[in-house]
Amino acid sequence: GAVVSQHPSRVICKSGTSVKIECRSLDFQATTMFWYRQFPKQSLMLMATSNEGSKATYEQGVEKDKFLINHASLTLSTLTVTSAHPEDSSFYICSAPGLTSYEQYFGPGTRLTVT
Amino acid sequence: EDKVVQSPLSLVVHEGDTVTLNCSYEVTNFRSLLWYKQEKKAPTFLFMLTSSGIEKKSGRLSSILDKKELFSILNITATQTGDSAVYLCAVEPYSGTYKYIFGTGTRLKVLA
Repeated sequence: GAVVSQHPSRVICKSGTSVKIECRSLDFQATTMFWYRQFPKQSLMLMATSNEGSKATYEQGVEKDKFLINHASLTLSTLTVTSAHPEDSSFYICSAPGLTSYEQYFGPGTRLTVT
Repeated sequence: EDKVVQSPLSLVVHEGDTVTLNCSYEVTNFRSLLWYKQEKKAPTFLFMLTSSGIEKKSGRLSSILDKKELFSILNITATQTGDSAVYLCAVEPYSGTYKYIFGTGTRLKVLA
């Protein structure tokens, strides 16, 4: 089946720094990818839709200047958490829809801890 | 506002028990409902349901959708400790966008 990878799997950074998370579709092209955030014991919350070749679409309440999304190619989307704060600590997951089905393929997630 | 509600929030059973997880939804322009199993990392796909009354089955897991009453159930029979996970229900409310709304999940723990 289709595979989506994320890098890094885990990152710890200091307050005020920026962190970039990569999401790659390994064996298929993804013109659209989705970024989710999941706090402990809570469900996945859609943050934004990443569109190849155009601007990302952000969900209500998500700051686009804080969570920069770049979909530079058909296999890569990046999420940059700028000026990170401890409240940004969370599990970030990306996904990409399959071309032949309605299901989404999720990456393994990135656990961000901001100290 | 679109929403997906799952119940119970958590459940503890013993191996061999049968469990039923519930997912109700209120969304516009329903397209599909999906069930995922999440252990420590990203969710893994279980079922996709689009039509009422048609049961999807995979081993000890099965699921059915009721579009009239706006809910779905996920059944797990003869539970095993490996079934311990969070089970997520997601609904795609807009046609063709793949934008899913997730429920809060049901945390299942199966004791040996």
